[in-house]
Amino acid sequence: SQQGEEDPQALSIQEGENATMNCSYKTSINNLQWYRQNSGRGLVHLILIRSNEREKHSGRLRVTLDTSKKSSSLLITASRAADTASYFCATDDPGSARQLTFGSGTQLTVLP
Amino acid sequence: NAGVTQTPKFQVLKTGQSMTLQCAQDMNHEYMSWYRQDPGMGLRLIHYSVGAGITDQGEVPNGYNVSRSTTEDFPLRLLSAAPSQTSVYFCASNARRGVSEAFFGQGTRLTVV
Repeated sequence: SQQGEEDPQALSIQEGENATMNCSYKTSINNLQWYRQNSGRGLVHLILIRSNEREKHSGRLRVTLDTSKKSSSLLITASRAADTASYFCATDDPGSARQLTFGSGTQLTVLP
Repeated sequence: NAGVTQTPKFQVLKTGQSMTLQCAQDMNHEYMSWYRQDPGMGLRLIHYSVGAGITDQGEVPNGYNVSRSTTEDFPLRLLSAAPSQTSVYFCASNARRGVSEAFFGQGTRLTVV
């Protein structure tokens, strides 16, 4: 079963606008990570936020985490056409020996 | 430093054939995993390993076998390919579960006809 579920499934914006993607999960977590996947490529790690953190920044990326609501958001500011990709959240369940559990992703299209 | 290397990149199999997808990492990571990615399904965990000699099942293990004889290699075997195994397969490794990022290979696109 999917632990993380992203919302929306698809998002189309103009270059320069901000893009916000949301992720909801079901169990307790050690951390939550966001990954990016360009078409036909493997996933690339973007940012990791620990369960005791509420907000984290990395360049144009801002991630928030609300463990009481079991949700996270990824904000990409001043988007560029090169940001066009699929974005996935992934969670690590401390109650399981398994590795990361991924959501179904948000397909972001940034129009030039 | 090559990271995670998967071979082959593309493969077409006939129903009933067997094959091995190769995965190697050169980062001395203990944890390695295999995922399959299907449209609209995200990534689903097939098998994973927490160290050489130790493997366990993920969410969708049926029809697949793995072994981990060395830290570097984690091959995925399809025993008798079925059309339902048509997918893109990704291998990933990470240094420490729970605190570190995962590194992914470029994927193997498998078609079973």
